Amino acid sequence: QKEVEQNSGPLSVPEGAIASLNCTYSDRGSQSFFWYRQYSGKSPELIMFIYSNGDKEDGRFTAQLNKASQYVSLLIRDSQPSDSATYLCAVNVPRNTGNQFYFGTGTSLTVIP
Amino acid sequence: NAGVMQNPRHLVRRRGQEARLRCSPMKGHSHVYWYRQLPEEGLKFMVYLQKENIIDESGMPKERFSAEFPKEGPSILRIQQVVRGDSAAYFCASSPSVKGGYTFGSGTRLTVV
Repeated sequence: QKEVEQNSGPLSVPEGAIASLNCTYSDRGSQSFFWYRQYSGKSPELIMFIYSNGDKEDGRFTAQLNKASQYVSLLIRDSQPSDSATYLCAVNVPRNTGNQFYFGTGTSLTVIP
Repeated sequence: NAGVMQNPRHLVRRRGQEARLRCSPMKGHSHVYWYRQLPEEGLKFMVYLQKENIIDESGMPKERFSAEFPKEGPSILRIQQVVRGDSAAYFCASSPSVKGGYTFGSGTRLTVV
């Protein structure tokens, strides 16, 4: 079982709509959760992180965490063509050697003008 | 404040040669991570280092691959006797602590011909 699972997509939404990206994780000991955005040919960049159950909002982005369901999501409101990218979910899991990050394979998002 | 610096950006090697990838973490960051990303795939963890110590190398192939993070200078990922399957983007990330989110470098794209 993979540590982090994401639907690879592609996910297409019209400009101005809400894009919803989902991620599940397998280790209940996971402590913190991150969303990265990666444009084609570029490196991942951190968008948001969340530690506690519930919602966390930052501008047009909202991260949602449900530890009981082992589920984390990212909502993008008023989607723009510039949001078209691959979104990577990452989970921080304590290990004997220190915390370890696990990444999902990413969801490709296309925002259609 | 310079970000994570990786060089070279692009590296072409013939089969059997050695590839040496360098990573300078952000100022104040003492945790360095190396990831490999194949086309259409997610980020695969390779190795986690702190200054002069390999903390976790569970994702690194046992043969031909090695990593170091000396007391002075950048972290080095070394691939000996490269093969075509080593062609990928290699990303370095750093963080100030074991709990923090990563900051990624721009990556080194290795092509083995």
